[in-house]
Amino acid sequence: AQKVTQAQTEISVVEKEDVTLDCVYETRDTTYYLFWYKQPPSGELVFLIRRNSFDEQNEISGRYSWNFQKSTSSFNFTITASQVVDSAVYFCALSPLGGGTSYGKLTFGQGTILTVHP
Amino acid sequence: GAGVSQSPSNKVTEKGKDVELRCDPISGHTALYWYRQSLGQGLEFLIYFQGNSAPDKSGLPSDRFSAERTGGSVSTLTIQRTQQEDSAVYLCASSLLPNSNQPQHFGDGTRLSIL
Repeated sequence: AQKVTQAQTEISVVEKEDVTLDCVYETRDTTYYLFWYKQPPSGELVFLIRRNSFDEQNEISGRYSWNFQKSTSSFNFTITASQVVDSAVYFCALSPLGGGTSYGKLTFGQGTILTVHP
Repeated sequence: GAGVSQSPSNKVTEKGKDVELRCDPISGHTALYWYRQSLGQGLEFLIYFQGNSAPDKSGLPSDRFSAERTGGSVSTLTIQRTQQEDSAVYLCASSLLPNSNQPQHFGDGTRLSIL
């Protein structure tokens, strides 16, 4: 069974603060993918990043960065110099990599509501 | 359009009625997924299609739920004899290939309210 835990239900910050969203996962698969999605108030889930279990290199994209640590089964997401437009619900998700009937099936965490105040 | 299209965007119906939700995936995407987002349960997987077949129906909550996909494109999720606990946002996603190499692209969802 797969499980994703986002311990932070809600986070509130002031603009320009840095914020880190935590994600911890459980899986028996030896190979898998990890994802982050953003859900703004409009409701659509927007893909942010995918990492495979082979690659533990951290990644940076503009103000966003991701820290994948297989040893602690964590895939944390940091927003640097947060902006009001970053306000959304952020979901971490896990998917098997490889064969089987559950190709691509995403198991989501409960989501973290991020509010950035001006 | 270029994205995943779902209709209707909102549906309000009385308990006991049947409802049909439609998903039009991105052109050329062979994999199609249905998820449900509700307050109590978060985002849950319902069913996965590869082409017109459904290798994984493990997430369908009861036999009142069914889904089909025709022509490898449009999919319909049907809920029979709706119950209040079926109230949720139903999200559809598609991806180019039926494996985890390609990220899933989501539609805006159908907000279903059962009175």
